[in-house]
Amino acid sequence: SQTIHQWPATLVQPVGSPLSLECTVEGTSNPNLYWYRQAAGRGLQLLFYSVGIGQISSEVPQNLSASRPQDRQFILSSKKLLLSDSGFYLCAWRSSYNSPLHFGNGTRLTVT
Amino acid sequence: EDQVTQSPEALRLQEGESSSLNCSYTVSGLRGLFWYRQDPGKGPEFLFTLYSAGEEKEKERLKATLTKKESFLHITAPKPEDSATYLCAVDEIGGGADGLTFGKGTHLIIQP
Repeated sequence: SQTIHQWPATLVQPVGSPLSLECTVEGTSNPNLYWYRQAAGRGLQLLFYSVGIGQISSEVPQNLSASRPQDRQFILSSKKLLLSDSGFYLCAWRSSYNSPLHFGNGTRLTVT
Repeated sequence: EDQVTQSPEALRLQEGESSSLNCSYTVSGLRGLFWYRQDPGKGPEFLFTLYSAGEEKEKERLKATLTKKESFLHITAPKPEDSATYLCAVDEIGGGADGLTFGKGTHLIIQP
């Protein structure tokens, strides 16, 4: 069966510090991978998605970037965090464009 | 204008009191509609996929239905453990691999 791992679960970082969130998927190959951010009252906002190694599509211009160094690894990064980067970050995968997304348990990021 | 609108935003029911949650969508072509359950501090958990009008899916006390403009999640004789936020999402024809568009969710509380 497929599983998705996301870490850390919680993170408190000062403004201006770097960020690296990791996500890995097991039990499948060549998944489509996604990063979403969830803010109270605003629903899930798609940040990045990837259909293959090294391929990244950005949905929202912002202070964040994503990379996919391996088939089942997806990383969300920032060089300098802003207060507005605080939120609940969710990694997800799907096997094809008309199949459901499967989510990790998220990272609660607080920028202070 | 939001493509996916869920109502009500919040719903409080007594245990055993059946009700329905609504998800209306305005995409030009629907490839699939997805329902998720999200518990506090966790990632969304996949419940159902519906692909065409008239389709129905059931799981325990939940039943999802789909028309050309909306979907309903019917909850029959709910229990306190059904308390969660329920999210609806759509996959639009021509949308490629760029994930799902989510509604803001319905926060459901079942009181014992």
